[in-house]
Amino acid sequence: DGGITQSPKYLFRKEGQNVTLSCEQNLNHDAMYWYRQDPGQGLRLIYYSQIVNDFQKGDIAEGYSVSREKKESFPLTVTSAQKNPTAFYLCASSITVSGANVLTFGAGSRLTVL
Amino acid sequence: QKEVEQNSGPLSVPEGAIASLNCTYSDRGSQSFFWYRQYSGKSPELIMFIYSNGDKEDGRFTAQLNKASQYVSLLIRDSQPSDSATYLCAVNPGVTGGGNKLTFGTGTQLKVEL
Repeated sequence: DGGITQSPKYLFRKEGQNVTLSCEQNLNHDAMYWYRQDPGQGLRLIYYSQIVNDFQKGDIAEGYSVSREKKESFPLTVTSAQKNPTAFYLCASSITVSGANVLTFGAGSRLTVL
Repeated sequence: QKEVEQNSGPLSVPEGAIASLNCTYSDRGSQSFFWYRQYSGKSPELIMFIYSNGDKEDGRFTAQLNKASQYVSLLIRDSQPSDSATYLCAVNPGVTGGGNKLTFGTGTQLKVEL
């Protein structure tokens, strides 16, 4: 089955630690995205990548880093510089359908800072 | 002014009724518009998208777009308890808004009551 796999599903971090969230897709999509969702808020874009070896900051990139070494993979590192990292993190990839950029999401990773 | 605005709800409708969800956006150059459904604790799933003025129907769902008034709506006919979820409106901004990024509203919670 084609899809997007995010791991781990749940992650606990102590303050001051960096953590990396994995995102792998087998949809052969060029573009990939990382969003963050907080309770009662919409999705906010952290980083996105439209091709391999290239990525751009989204609206809330501070305290996060990404890499895009392979088309299938777009890992997100939450660094100790991110002051409020507890959130639901969603990875997505997209394909253009009839001129519209359609996003498909993974199941998400829930990060809790202890 | 938020880029994409939705009433947070909850919107309560009886089973079998029509649920009407609304969304307004600020970027007049926006190209395409999406409705996602998100169950509690899960990731968003695409319901449908629209990019031309007028109505687009898919089963029990109808998306309506009015670019002059900058709003998009989602109608759910014959609402079922399984439709109870948060509905996210997303907008693909125009060229000046950054290309393929989607901007999400905060979502409207729908409750379908027996």
